[in-house]
Parts: sequence; C-alpha cells; structure tokens
Amino acid sequence: NAGVMQNPRHLVRRRGQEARLRCSPMKGHSHVYWYRQLPEEGLKFMVYLQKENIIDESGMPKERFSAEFPKEGPSILRIQQVVRGDSAAYFCASSPDVYYGYTFGSGTRLTVV
Amino acid sequence: ELKVEQNPLFLSMQEGKNYTIYCNYSTTSDRLYWYRQDPGKSLESLFVLLSNGAVKQEGRLMASLDTKARLSTLHITAAVHDLSATYFCAVDIKAGGTSYGKLTFGQGTILTVHP
Repeated sequence: NAGVMQNPRHLVRRRGQEARLRCSPMKGHSHVYWYRQLPEEGLKFMVYLQKENIIDESGMPKERFSAEFPKEGPSILRIQQVVRGDSAAYFCASSPDVYYGYTFGSGTRLTVV
Repeated sequence: ELKVEQNPLFLSMQEGKNYTIYCNYSTTSDRLYWYRQDPGKSLESLFVLLSNGAVKQEGRLMASLDTKARLSTLHITAAVHDLSATYFCAVDIKAGGTSYGKLTFGQGTILTVHP
C-alpha cells in the first residue's frame, strides 16, 4: 500500500499564476481532507471531500481556492491567482469508510515568488 | 469556534528525564489524536484516543484522554534524543453536521532532547 501520495512535493509559482496540488488517497479510502500549514503554525482544516461531493468546505478561503475529488483520479486543490500569503505546506489526509484515524501525505510545499 | 491549546509550546529536556505535554480543548469531543512531525516532513500518527479515560502507550510515550476535563496529556518517560520533534494534538469534530473528519490542531509543542 503506497500510502497517501501528494504531488508535486515542491511547487514554485509567480504571483498571479495558478497552482494545482494533487492527492491520491490510500487504496480503499474514500474520504479526503486538505489542510494548510503556514510557517511556524499548526495545521488548519480547509476542506473534506468524498467522491464527487464536498462534505465541508468551511476552512476554504472564499475566493481563488477550490477543491474536487472526481469519480476517477486524484483529489485536486486549485489555487487561482496565487499571492505571497498562499505560501505554505498543503497536506492531504485520507481515511476509510470506518472513520477513525487519518493518514497524511508528505505534503506539497508551495512557494509564491 | 473550537480552540485547542497545547502547553508548553517549547520544551527542552535532558535525556533520561520525564515530562508531560498538555492539550486543552474548548468543546465536547471524544476523539483526539496525537501526531509527530519532523522538520520538513509529514505527520506521523502516534495515538488515537476515542473515549473518556482512554490510555495508550507506545515505547516511551503515553497518551490519555479526559473528555470531562477536555484534556489530553502526552507523557514522555526517560526521554532520548530521537524523540526530538514537534508534537501536535488534534481534536476531531463532526464535519458538515454529519460525520467526523474536521481536525482542529493545537499549535504544536517543539520538543528538543539534549544529551
């Protein structure tokens, strides 16, 4: 079992560009969660998705950020028109239907220059 | 809004000593997790605590949960250098009013163990 796979590991974008972060959950896991970690801070919940559904997006900024988990393929966190304040580590986690315990991926470190 | 507070935020220990990290939270929940994070790395799950009075031990670490006091502790026994890392507690509450899945993390405790 390959675990939760995130790519890319590092992503550099210029201000105004788009960033796409991918997350493939563990095999058999149908629940995906995205968290953001700003430098020297704890992780903050962004969004919880199941296949083709957003369950809770209360932690997503209202503009420029969107997430999806299509029927086929990885979950995508999309940030449009990135700004310097978006620089952070973005972690994805997944869980099976019996939801206790979450497995985290290695994260994508986004740097906006 | 749920608040999760850890203390201390910084902990410098000598090898062989014992210490406890505290995690207080502000709303009712009976699901709490402890994670370890090494610099630049992902989060490693240490303990899953799912009920009041739960106690779990792994090696030199022991975690407990008191849901009435809204308090969890992570106790370190006879610390060794390899335990140096950042430790987070996280409280699980229901997302979207239905199922669990919305972790609220504490600020993290940076632990440094000196020889």
